[in-house]
Amino acid sequence: EAQVTQNPRYLITVTGKKLTVTCSQNMNHEYMSWYRQDPGLGLRQIYYSMNVEVTDKGDVPEGYKVSRKEKRNFPLILESPSPNQTSLYFCASSWTGGTNEKLFFGSGTQLSVL
Amino acid sequence: QQQVKQSPQSLIVQKGGISIINCAYENTAFDYFPWYQQFPGKGPALLIAIRPDVSEKKEGRFTISFNKSAKQFSLHIMDSQPGDSATYFCAAPLGGDQTGANNLFFGTGTRLTVIP
Repeated sequence: EAQVTQNPRYLITVTGKKLTVTCSQNMNHEYMSWYRQDPGLGLRQIYYSMNVEVTDKGDVPEGYKVSRKEKRNFPLILESPSPNQTSLYFCASSWTGGTNEKLFFGSGTQLSVL
Repeated sequence: QQQVKQSPQSLIVQKGGISIINCAYENTAFDYFPWYQQFPGKGPALLIAIRPDVSEKKEGRFTISFNKSAKQFSLHIMDSQPGDSATYFCAAPLGGDQTGANNLFFGTGTRLTVIP
């Protein structure tokens, strides 16, 4: 089944404790991205990647890191989480070019930073 | 700066009624306008999309109307059903030479509730 898999689904942590949220897709997509969803603010892009070893900042990159060492994986790293990073996070992927621009989203990771 | 402005924030419609959600954009370089649907506990999923070379696109009960001169596009849900209750996001691509239609600005979302 074609899918984007995020882990964990729920995460509670404390301020300053480094964490990683994993994202993996099995559709051989070149493009991957991370969004955070907050009430009243919609989906805001954190980082995106056009292909392996190519990443760039989105609208709200502060406090986050990403890496794209393999085509299928795009982990989101919070080196020193803070309470304002409490949010619902989504990973997404798609092909690039052509006429198929559909974004496939994971099921989300609810992060709480205490 | 918001690239796309979505309204209303929430919407309650009776079963069988018409739901209308609006989106306004700033950047005239945008050339792809999707709507995504999100059910509770799930990620958003593409519902319907339009390119500015047409003024309307219909898929079943869902229609996008596009007004290029007003820089607006809207989602119409005809014969709304309780199963349509979800959050709807409009979006537009960042554009330029960076990406195609994958890199999206999303609106703030509209929570639709269809009452039986």
